[in-house]
Amino acid sequence: NAGVTQTPKFRVLKTGQSMTLLCAQDMNHEYMYWYRQDPGMGLRLIHYSVGEGTTAKGEVPDGYNVSRLKKQNFLLGLESAAPSQTSVYFCASSYSGLAGAGTGELFFGEGSRLTVL
Amino acid sequence: AQSVTQLGSHVSVSEGALVLLRCNYSSSVPPYLFWYVQYPNQGLQLLLKYTTGATLVKGINGFEAEFKKSETSFHLTKPSAHMSDAAEYFCAVSEVSGGYNKLIFGAGTRLAVHP
Repeated sequence: NAGVTQTPKFRVLKTGQSMTLLCAQDMNHEYMYWYRQDPGMGLRLIHYSVGEGTTAKGEVPDGYNVSRLKKQNFLLGLESAAPSQTSVYFCASSYSGLAGAGTGELFFGEGSRLTVL
Repeated sequence: AQSVTQLGSHVSVSEGALVLLRCNYSSSVPPYLFWYVQYPNQGLQLLLKYTTGATLVKGINGFEAEFKKSETSFHLTKPSAHMSDAAEYFCAVSEVSGGYNKLIFGAGTRLAVHP
């Protein structure tokens, strides 16, 4: 029972390099999310998707792009990494995010630790 | 926009003592409320949630939380701490935006349990 799987789990980049984080879920969830976690700031929403082929901006979207070409996958891209993007990134999914149609409970991956030098 | 405030970024208790982690939220409508726990080097997992009905909610590992609308609070408690409870705890509230629920998280409280 894999749930939500993130790859890679660790990555070190130099400033200006690009990379993609992959999130895969096997629960047939419609909704997927990318959060970043920084000390003392909790989790902040970067981008989210309400279904295959859709994406939307969250709280801190600048410097990131996302794609949801397949329902089970949600990719987070950094085109030109900056030291401020050093963080732990969490992918999450939920069955339903529709208001009144679900509680919005999220299921999380184990995280991807990114360091930008 | 809604917000969540967790009082105390670090809480330390003795094994066997009461655990009390505080959470206050801002919301103009009855919210859905959650507590998540994060063990070292792991993702977040749901501890308990309040949606509707009984305001005292029981979760896993002996934790419970009480929704108090008049105080806009959702404090997490456990009668007797265990060493395995050492983790970071996040309170979250659902926010409806554009017709969809999203979770807004507090900054987290790191719980230390000492012998």
